[in-house]
Amino acid sequence: GAGVSQSPSNKVTEKGKDVELRCDPISGHTALYWYRQSLGQGLEFLIYFQGNSAPDKSGLPSDRFSAERTGGSVSTLTIQRTQQEDSAVYLCASSLDIAGGSYEQYFGPGTRLTVT
Amino acid sequence: AQTVTQSQPEMSVQEAETVTLSCTYDTSESDYYLFWYKQPPSRQMILVIRQEAYKQQNATENRFSVNFQKAAKSFSLKISDSQLGDAAMYFCAYIGSGGGADGLTFGKGTHLIIQP
Repeated sequence: GAGVSQSPSNKVTEKGKDVELRCDPISGHTALYWYRQSLGQGLEFLIYFQGNSAPDKSGLPSDRFSAERTGGSVSTLTIQRTQQEDSAVYLCASSLDIAGGSYEQYFGPGTRLTVT
Repeated sequence: AQTVTQSQPEMSVQEAETVTLSCTYDTSESDYYLFWYKQPPSRQMILVIRQEAYKQQNATENRFSVNFQKAAKSFSLKISDSQLGDAAMYFCAYIGSGGGADGLTFGKGTHLIIQP
């Protein structure tokens, strides 16, 4: 079956613009994660969705970041008023319901965001 | 908070030889999961192997095996018969048994070079 997909693959935007990054998880996976990968900070966990439950947003870097997940499937990470420090690769991952004891996360190819 | 440390920024090995990548972690939890992920230049994060903390037996997947020392909080990855396709960044990762709410905690990674 299809893996995790993300779009766009690459995004170049001007400082101050808003961007939306999309993640389509593996069919049947109820858990969805967003991470950020940058040279300076390594891999950082941003936010986690379990089914339709409201996420814990405390891991988001600032209030310019928001995320939603519609219908328990596709997720969108939105960054408002982008700054140069937002430049990074944004990775999405999904996994089966954690109640089943499976914590293996499967990653998408990422979106490389460049803020000029 | 949990931390994961990979003390080898870069490792080099001859093709067909064996190499061991080190990882240590710090946690106050008794039940958790550990993973090794591989990230080639394509950026796709690929799950290599996983270990449940409650299992004493070390996990093995073909040429990949781990040496899990729970008391020492050590989780090294051994790659036997190294192949050119093994060249990549390798990340050690941790997640608590409480589930995904905190996401994976990653080490900084080890860049593995395979010499032909």
